Amino acid sequence: GAGVSQSPSNKVTEKGKDVELRCDPISGHTALYWYRQSLGQGLEFLIYFQGNSAPDKSGLPSDRFSAERTGGSVSTLTIQRTQQEDSAVYLCASSLASGGFQETQYFGPGTRLLVL
Amino acid sequence: AQTVTQSQPEMSVQEAETVTLSCTYDTSESDYYLFWYKQPPSRQMILVIRQEAYKQQNATENRFSVNFQKAAKSFSLKISDSQLGDAAMYFCAYVDSNYQLIWGAGTKLIIKP
Repeated sequence: GAGVSQSPSNKVTEKGKDVELRCDPISGHTALYWYRQSLGQGLEFLIYFQGNSAPDKSGLPSDRFSAERTGGSVSTLTIQRTQQEDSAVYLCASSLASGGFQETQYFGPGTRLLVL
Repeated sequence: AQTVTQSQPEMSVQEAETVTLSCTYDTSESDYYLFWYKQPPSRQMILVIRQEAYKQQNATENRFSVNFQKAAKSFSLKISDSQLGDAAMYFCAYVDSNYQLIWGAGTKLIIKP
C-alpha cells in the first residue's frame, strides 16, 4: 500500500512569508507526528496527533508554528512569518497507535524548506 | 529527561565486513522501546530494527542485530556482511509512554568497496 506522502518536496520562500506543509499518512494510521531535521542533525520532535487532537504541543519551537489535522487523516504544518532559522527538512510520520506508544513510526520523504 | 547519545559521528567499514554502531540512552522509565533507523541520501527514514525493553533477547533482522544491555542502557547495532547499500546515516531512537521519539545525532556509515 501507499506510504506516508508529503508535499511539497522542496519549498523556497522569502523571510517573513507563511508556508504550509502537508502530510498524508498511511491509511488507517491514527497517530501522526511532525519532526524537524536541521542539516546534519538528528530529529527534533514538533507535535503529535492522536486522531484529530494534539495532546502534546510542547515541541513547537514558537507561536509561529501551528499544525492541524482534519478527518483523522491529512495534516498541515503552518509556519508563519518564516525566519532563516526555520530552514530544515520537515518530516512527517504515522503509526497505527492502537493505544500503544510502541507502534513503529513510518516516515514520509520530508519537505526541505529553505528560507531566504 | 530522556537522552540518546551516539558517540560516533562517522564510521567506515570494508564491504563484506562487520561493523558495530554505538548508542547509549538515559531514562528512568521501565517500559520503553528502542529503534535503529536508517536514512540514505534519498532522505527517507527507514526502520532497521526495534527492541522492546522488557525483552531480554536481542532483536535480529537478517544481517542486522542489536546488543541490548538494559542495565548499562546501551543499544548497539551490528551490521554483518556490509553491503554498499548499507551506506547511510543511522539514527538510534527511544520512545516511551510520552509518545515522543527521542533521537540520537546519528552516525554516518561509509562502506568501502
